[in-house]
Amino acid sequence: QVQLQESGPGLVKPSETLSLTCTVSNGSLSNSYWNWVRQPPGKGLEWVGYINYSGDTNYSPSLRSRVTISVDTTNNQFSLHLSSVTAADTAVYFCARAAPFLSARVYYYYIDVWGKGTTVTVSS
Amino acid sequence: DIVMTQTPATLSVSPGERATLSCRASRSVRSNVAWYQQKPGQAPRLLIYAASARAAGIPARFSGRGSGTEFTLTISSLQPEDFAVYYCHQYDNWLSTFGQGTKVEIK
Repeated sequence: QVQLQESGPGLVKPSETLSLTCTVSNGSLSNSYWNWVRQPPGKGLEWVGYINYSGDTNYSPSLRSRVTISVDTTNNQFSLHLSSVTAADTAVYFCARAAPFLSARVYYYYIDVWGKGTTVTVSS
Repeated sequence: DIVMTQTPATLSVSPGERATLSCRASRSVRSNVAWYQQKPGQAPRLLIYAASARAAGIPARFSGRGSGTEFTLTISSLQPEDFAVYYCHQYDNWLSTFGQGTKVEIK
């Protein structure tokens, strides 16, 4: 069973860049999309963006100007970089796999495996 | 963006009773909806994908229905471990969105 583990600093200063890495174990990066989802304290889930094995990305429009997701196929990892952070970026950050499902001859990707999440606090 | 609206925000149910959670999409998402359960301090857990397919290891008391814009998650007989927050999620296009969640609490 594939497992995901987030790593990175738990505290980031305002205006700096938040950087997290997700390590994928017991599975390959191919044939899936690799996502970041965040959850502010006491609130719901917010999709941040995804990347695939080839490096194709898509980002939430509300974060697009500040977010970059990259992939390291050698180490079976993918990473999130969020620049110019403010207190509003304080959240639990989850990495997650989206697996393919074939419907009417088109593949759609649903999130089926999640990391445990890591708490990032933005504060000076 | 497709907005997913979940109702009710909170559902108070006694153990053993049936719970029905609703999720409405602002436009058609076909059957591309998943449901997740989240307990405090934990990651979400996949229950249902493709609107009605149960994920591996999920008990049969969880069922999903719907297509287009209206979706439901039903828990046929609530067990103590089912009290949690439930989220719907549409993945019909590249910009996936979550509902705001329904908290199922003990009555």
